[in-house]
Amino acid sequence: NAGVTQTPKFQVLKTGQSMTLQCAQDMNHNSMYWYRQDPGMGLRLIYYSASEGTTDKGEVPNGYNVSRLNKREFSLRLESAAPSQTSVYFCASSYLLYEQYFGPGTRLTVT
Amino acid sequence: AQSVTQPDIHITVSEGASLELRCNYSYGATPYLFWYVQSPGQGLQLLLKYFSGDTLVQGIKGFEAEFKRSQSSFNLRKPSVHWSDAAEYFCAVGVTKTSYDKVIFGPGTSLSVIP
Repeated sequence: NAGVTQTPKFQVLKTGQSMTLQCAQDMNHNSMYWYRQDPGMGLRLIYYSASEGTTDKGEVPNGYNVSRLNKREFSLRLESAAPSQTSVYFCASSYLLYEQYFGPGTRLTVT
Repeated sequence: AQSVTQPDIHITVSEGASLELRCNYSYGATPYLFWYVQSPGQGLQLLLKYFSGDTLVQGIKGFEAEFKRSQSSFNLRKPSVHWSDAAEYFCAVGVTKTSYDKVIFGPGTSLSVIP
């Protein structure tokens, strides 16, 4: 039982490049989330997926897109990376009300 | 608007000393409250949660938290800190939206432990 896995762990992009962050969970959870973590700001929700086939915007969705590929997988795409998107990205999933399980994170630097 | 504040950005305690991390929330309805811990380079792990009932809740790793409605607080405590408790601690409140259950995180408190 791996829980929530994320790839890659680290990534450096140049401004304007694109990339996809992958997330998968093996806990049969319905809901999945993407957060970004910046110093002094806690975690901010980018997008979420309440169930397979649905996605919706969180607090800071601009510059990102998501795909809920199936119940297990939820990917985050940066179409044209900007330095302001330098952050640590966390994927999470949940079954019980609000109780979220987090992946180890992806540290992204955009130069 | 709903919010979570953690007044202490950074706290340093000696190993074996007691610990209290403060958390205040703003939410009009009955809150669902959480504490998460993040070790360096890791994701967040749930320490404990409060949904209803007994206002003193026990969590993993010897932590406990007390919900005080009159003070809008949910402070985290541990009687004797271990060096391995050095980490970032996040308080969070769960709020109900129309289509999903949202968790609002505080900015975090960084804990250092002196041997």
